[in-house]
Amino acid sequence: SQQGEEDPQALSIQEGENATMNCSYKTSINNLQWYRQNSGRGLVHLILIRSNEREKHSGRLRVTLDTSKKSSSLLITASRAADTASYFCATDANSGGSNYKLTFGKGTLLTVNP
Amino acid sequence: DGGITQSPKYLFRKEGQNVTLSCEQNLNHDAMYWYRQDPGQGLRLIYYSQIVNDFQKGDIAEGYSVSREKKESFPLTVTSAQKNPTAFYLCASSILGQGRGAYEQYFGPGTRLTVT
Repeated sequence: SQQGEEDPQALSIQEGENATMNCSYKTSINNLQWYRQNSGRGLVHLILIRSNEREKHSGRLRVTLDTSKKSSSLLITASRAADTASYFCATDANSGGSNYKLTFGKGTLLTVNP
Repeated sequence: DGGITQSPKYLFRKEGQNVTLSCEQNLNHDAMYWYRQDPGQGLRLIYYSQIVNDFQKGDIAEGYSVSREKKESFPLTVTSAQKNPTAFYLCASSILGQGRGAYEQYFGPGTRLTVT
């Protein structure tokens, strides 16, 4: 079952511009995570935001979480060609004993043109 | 050098054959996971394990089997019963949370399986 859904599916911008990706989910969560995947590689964890947090920063990344709207956004500022990758949100389930599992969305493919 | 290793990177098999994908971690993580990724898609959970000799089915377990005889190892067997086995397979591990939800997962480089 798909818990998180990213929007847009694909995003193409110029180097130096900001990129914003959104994620919506359906059920109550403990935390939401963002991952990055370069083509043909494994995923790399970017940032985790807990359900009682509203905003978190890490370098050029800014993540917001709105639990009332069940949505999150990932902002990458001053993008670089090396940021070209797919970005996934992942949520856990705030219920039951297996709340260490993650459910991933389908991802946003970001292309940063030099 | 800590991390997760998956081997091989590419694997080719004939239809009707079982094939086993390797996943090893030296991060001392309790939990391990197997995901399948199809082109342009997100990750779908096949099996997961939080302790040696115990594992649970994920969302798409049919046609797959796993074992967890050692904490470090979580091999995945793609059986001939899996109708559409060609895909990119990712293994991951994490620590187990203390009731605070899921922790970050560390991923291996993946194995691309092609069945013809």
